[in-house]
Amino acid sequence: EAGVAQSPRYKIIEKRQSVAFWCNPISGHATLYWYQQILGQGPKLLIQFQNNGVVDDSQLPKDRFSAERLKGVDSTLKIQPAKLEDSAVYLCASSLSSGLHEQYFGPGTRLTVT
Amino acid sequence: GNSVTQMEGPVTLSEEAFLTINCTYTATGYPSLFWYVQYPGEGLQLLLKATKADDKGSNKGFEATYRKETTSFHLEKGSVQVSDSAVYFCALPSSGSARQLTFGSGTQLTVLP
Repeated sequence: EAGVAQSPRYKIIEKRQSVAFWCNPISGHATLYWYQQILGQGPKLLIQFQNNGVVDDSQLPKDRFSAERLKGVDSTLKIQPAKLEDSAVYLCASSLSSGLHEQYFGPGTRLTVT
Repeated sequence: GNSVTQMEGPVTLSEEAFLTINCTYTATGYPSLFWYVQYPGEGLQLLLKATKADDKGSNKGFEATYRKETTSFHLEKGSVQVSDSAVYFCALPSSGSARQLTFGSGTQLTVLP
């Protein structure tokens, strides 16, 4: 079974530029998550999708971050404009629609904002 | 809301040493508890879980017992290997959500040959 795919793996941008990350979840997984992981910390949830609908985006900084999952499969996360404090690893995870909580993570995109 | 507190790292051990990484939790009721592992350059992987009090989760030689009396879920391994070098995260379901997880801050483990 193919795992969660993410691209790019690394990105370096200057502050005030924009950037987009892509995620392809495990086939059949209805729930998709985007996390931000700052160095030395645990992942922090940004947004959760169920199919193509948003379940929770309460921790997404909506003035600069946006995310979509138009067809209920792939998802993109965008930052515009980027700030220095956005430097982090952005992790995508997916899970089946159940209460088991087992989430499968992609390798992440390491973003450096200079 | 639900939260976890992990032992601060980094932890450095010699190969074949005994490992304990402490995790305590605060939660309403008795939620499932998880340990995830993150190897260098990779995403998180589920290492083990326990779904109710007194359960023991185990995988790859690692064990953790769900202890409601001490609200703990400490990770242990009797003999670590160099390949166990990674960051370990304790996690539990977030308050009010059946499908979100709250993670601890992680403990970096380095095993020296």
